[in-house]
Amino acid sequence: SQQGEEDPQALSIQEGENATMNCSYKTSINNLQWYRQNSGRGLVHLILIRSNEREKHSGRLRVTLDTSKKSSSLLITASRAADTASYFCATDAFGGSRLTFGEGTQLTVNP
Amino acid sequence: GAGVSQSPSNKVTEKGKDVELRCDPISGHTALYWYRQRLGQGLEFLIYFQGNSAPDKSGLPSDRFSAERTGESVSTLTIQRTQQEDSAVYLCASSFSVGSRNTIYFGEGSWLTVV
Repeated sequence: SQQGEEDPQALSIQEGENATMNCSYKTSINNLQWYRQNSGRGLVHLILIRSNEREKHSGRLRVTLDTSKKSSSLLITASRAADTASYFCATDAFGGSRLTFGEGTQLTVNP
Repeated sequence: GAGVSQSPSNKVTEKGKDVELRCDPISGHTALYWYRQRLGQGLEFLIYFQGNSAPDKSGLPSDRFSAERTGESVSTLTIQRTQQEDSAVYLCASSFSVGSRNTIYFGEGSWLTVV
């Protein structure tokens, strides 16, 4: 089973609205990362949050981490049509070297 | 180069043929990863290399899949006797070192279609 699982699978919003995507995982982690993928091509790193952090900001992105619930959320504020993409969370098992990706959330921002 | 480079971008091959996919990591990156992504799905880990250490091959789905890396440079992923279920994007990534604190940088992927 997937270590990281995102929900919803698909999200459609209007430009200017906020988009929230969630990620749940099963095992202890060192950190959790969020990536973005345009049109099935390469992934781009967005943000990393460590297991001892609860919230992190980067521009219009806000990530939270709740290790007690083994979940994270990615909030994109004031969305733009250019934010349309798939968003993946990636986790590592404690001490692990590889990143395990979830199935992703497909975000569509309508102009 | 400035980023991770993969070739070919697209490959259509007949079932049963062998294919080689190439990855040039970012210069100075000691860790290199291969992932597979089927249409509409998440990334499946295949293999990673870290310097001169033995690679972690635990994600390779069958013995038809193999990968090599020369030192800390180019890597090739070889799929022998391709099957239709091998159709996917094969993504290569690199980072300064192995370890999840390191951001990994992805190439644009090689689209493989087996007909």
